[in-house]
Amino acid sequence: RMTQSPSSLAASIGDRVSVTCRASEDIGNRVSWYQQKPGKAPKLLISGASSLLSGVPSRFSGSGSGTEFTLTIGSLQPDDFATYYCQHSFTSWTFGQGTRLEIK
Amino acid sequence: QVQLVQSGPEVKKPGASVKVSCKASGYAFSNFPIHWVRQAPGQSLEWMGWINGGNGATRYSQKFQGRVTITRDTSASTAFLEMNSLTSEDTAMYFCARQMRGLDIWGQGTLVTVSS
Repeated sequence: RMTQSPSSLAASIGDRVSVTCRASEDIGNRVSWYQQKPGKAPKLLISGASSLLSGVPSRFSGSGSGTEFTLTIGSLQPDDFATYYCQHSFTSWTFGQGTRLEIK
Repeated sequence: QVQLVQSGPEVKKPGASVKVSCKASGYAFSNFPIHWVRQAPGQSLEWMGWINGGNGATRYSQKFQGRVTITRDTSASTAFLEMNSLTSEDTAMYFCARQMRGLDIWGQGTLVTVSS
């Protein structure tokens, strides 16, 4: 199971924000992060806990291993307001409950 | 370009079955697993299972074991999700996605509505 927090977050353009996922057991670095906008399929941002996908802005970063993982957005841009999900790929592929990032 | 194109929306009655397709193009279908993920209205993403594009091996979420079958037709570069005994709680958008380190390519989604 992946416990994601917070469930929602209000922030301003230029803010630095972080989202956390905690796993119920040691899953190494087998975590991915996704961004989803309304009515669209999710978009993969980070795999292997910290590897940024090609084309994803460098303001996105991932860290962590074992049971605690973090997605950080360094300086929020208008396009970043969306819902973010973590996912582990250990024995199954479970998603976190999501974090809705809204404009303050 | 690399893409997954899913079949169109479905409306089913409770107790019926549904089969959704996911056609891959732009890459070697057999080299990558395909996953199925669903999302009920206003809810989080829910992983359902995956199929190895090469040997056809499958793995399912415990929640869907026995009610969902994932298959593939390598000659058509297409994966399929079939789910039976539908209830209103199965009303959701169903996505297929290619696995390469994460789920890097997604289909556009297929809306399945279960209503009497």
